[in-house]
Amino acid sequence: NAGVTQTPKFQVLKTGQSMTLQCAQDMNHNSMYWYRQDPGMGLRLIYYSASEGTTDKGEVPNGYNVSRLNKREFSLRLESAAPSQTSVYFCASKGDSAEAFFGQGTRLTVV
Amino acid sequence: QQQVKQSPQSLIVQKGGISIINCAYENTAFDYFPWYQQVPGKGPALLIAIRPDVSEKKEGRFTISFNKSAKQFSLHIMDSQPGDSATYFCAAGTGSARQLTFGSGTQLTVLP
Repeated sequence: NAGVTQTPKFQVLKTGQSMTLQCAQDMNHNSMYWYRQDPGMGLRLIYYSASEGTTDKGEVPNGYNVSRLNKREFSLRLESAAPSQTSVYFCASKGDSAEAFFGQGTRLTVV
Repeated sequence: QQQVKQSPQSLIVQKGGISIINCAYENTAFDYFPWYQQVPGKGPALLIAIRPDVSEKKEGRFTISFNKSAKQFSLHIMDSQPGDSATYFCAAGTGSARQLTFGSGTQLTVLP
């Protein structure tokens, strides 16, 4: 059981570069989420998708865009990376139960 | 604006002791209160959760106590073990998509 798979696991970007973080789930879940985790801040919601074809902003959406490609995949794009976006990014998914399942994270450093 | 406040930031407990982590929330629309455990290099994993219609939920050594009037909930880990050493996050959720608002986390260390 793969669950929630994120790629890449690690990435270093230069300021101004762009990249897309990929997330895929194999649990047939409707809802998917992108969080960022920073020391002392817990996890903060960037964007979420309650169902295929819909996306909504979370607490900290500035500087990010998302695409719900299909039911399985939810990608997060940084168009012009900034040092403030250095963080660990987690994708999660949720089905009919209240439990959210998280991927293993992507550690992103912007220099 | 932090809607879920978690304390303490770090906690050191002797093996066999009781670990207690507290959270307080502001938004009365929250109707789902999970606790997540995160070990280094992994994503958070659901440990235990409670809804506001009950005041306590116990699963093994883990208990959530919930005080709706005070808008507070806490995690108690009985007979703490070194394997319980991890970061614990409280969270609160609402809405059909159950987007979660997380506390800032507590790093628990259980000494052997």
